[in-house]
Amino acid sequence: AQSVAQPEDQVNVAEGNPLTVKCTYSVSGNPYLFWYVQYPNRGLQFLLKYITGDNLVKGSYGFEAEFNKSQTSFHLKKPSALVSDSALYFCAVRDINYGQNFVFGPGTRLSVLP
Amino acid sequence: DAGVIQSPRHEVTEMGQEVTLRCKPISGHNSLFWYRQTMMRGLELLIYFNNNVPIDDSGMPEDRFSAKMPNASFSTLKIQPSEPRDSAVYFCASSSDSGVEELFFGEGSRLTVL
Repeated sequence: AQSVAQPEDQVNVAEGNPLTVKCTYSVSGNPYLFWYVQYPNRGLQFLLKYITGDNLVKGSYGFEAEFNKSQTSFHLKKPSALVSDSALYFCAVRDINYGQNFVFGPGTRLSVLP
Repeated sequence: DAGVIQSPRHEVTEMGQEVTLRCKPISGHNSLFWYRQTMMRGLELLIYFNNNVPIDDSGMPEDRFSAKMPNASFSTLKIQPSEPRDSAVYFCASSSDSGVEELFFGEGSRLTVL
């Protein structure tokens, strides 16, 4: 069965500094990986996904993620953090061999300090 | 595109009452998911449908919870009788099976059971 781990409950970074939110996964087949962001009192919003191809995936709001098959990781990154990036971030994996189900990580709360 | 539409956005009820949450998925999407989010448990998958058929309901807490999808444009999640521990935010999400598509979330229904 597939699983997703986000080893950090909380990440703090100063505005203007680069940020990384970590994600590792476990799947039996090809990994289809996603990042979502949740702002207070809102639903989850899609940021980016990795299906195949380039290991560096670019997404919304200047975010990107790096797929590393050997380390089974899919870390979310942004070169320069904004205070408005403060939110809850979820990594997810979709295994189409398991009925199209998505499995989400526990979430990482990002705080960008001014 | 109107996105995934959920109603009500907020519901406050008393223990023992029946609660019905509603969801309209994005037109053309054939997979629909119900999630529950709490501080203690994070994001939990309750049930998901594919082409209106329930595929995996292993996340439904107990017999008090039931979900239906009578057609491709409507789904309900019912709790009867409700209990205080059911207080949570309930999200509906939909996705397409054409390729490896992302989930689109509604804004959620915040349920408080007194």
